Amino acid sequence: EIVLTQSPGTLSLSPGERATLSCRASQSVSSNYLTWYQQKLGQAPRLLIYGASSRATGIPDRFSGSGSGTDFTLTISRLEPEDFAVYYCQHYGSSLWTFGQGTKVEIK
Amino acid sequence: EVQLVESGGGLVQPGRSLRLSCAASGFTFDDYAMHWVRQAPGKGLEWVSGISWNSGSIGYADSVKGRFTISRDNAKNSLYLQMNSLRAEDTALYYCAKDRELGATEYYFDYWGQGTLVTVSS
Repeated sequence: EIVLTQSPGTLSLSPGERATLSCRASQSVSSNYLTWYQQKLGQAPRLLIYGASSRATGIPDRFSGSGSGTDFTLTISRLEPEDFAVYYCQHYGSSLWTFGQGTKVEIK
Repeated sequence: EVQLVESGGGLVQPGRSLRLSCAASGFTFDDYAMHWVRQAPGKGLEWVSGISWNSGSIGYADSVKGRFTISRDNAKNSLYLQMNSLRAEDTALYYCAKDRELGATEYYFDYWGQGTLVTVSS
């Protein structure tokens, strides 16, 4: 079973700053199977990025995903107040879905 | 507009059973696989179970295998999760989620419900 490790656990930044979130897989995975979600407090998760780098419908272009193999990155180019939330990466493989433990992006 | 509305959560004693439901609308339900994902209080997301469009393929997380059963009724646009032998560690908000768009080569969940809370406690 593939384990996803997200870092850092918490990212303290100010609006307008750039956020870089990491998701590392315990073994090489297909980019097609790597997804990012955003979860705001008290809300359901929302699809952000699928296939490692494709933005979901309605997601602003300040969100971008990149990476391959075992290392994947979610970048928020300039943080808006509504971007402060928890971000999860997810992987599908061998009929199982796994999530990383999440990165909280908080206001500094 | 896609809507997923979960119900059936509540307070239940350890060892007892509970059945969750998810009512789907706004899309052709029987075209898509569906999933249950849970989130313990203050914790991260955990995939619980998934079912293909025709119930021909079903999967479970190891943590619930043998205790939980996923099913669907395409005539009623509904997804279910039968939870037996419940444990304290099953306490969580349970989300229903829709599988990826038809024909997509990527794997993801594109719509989520708001969840139903299950609390297992004596």
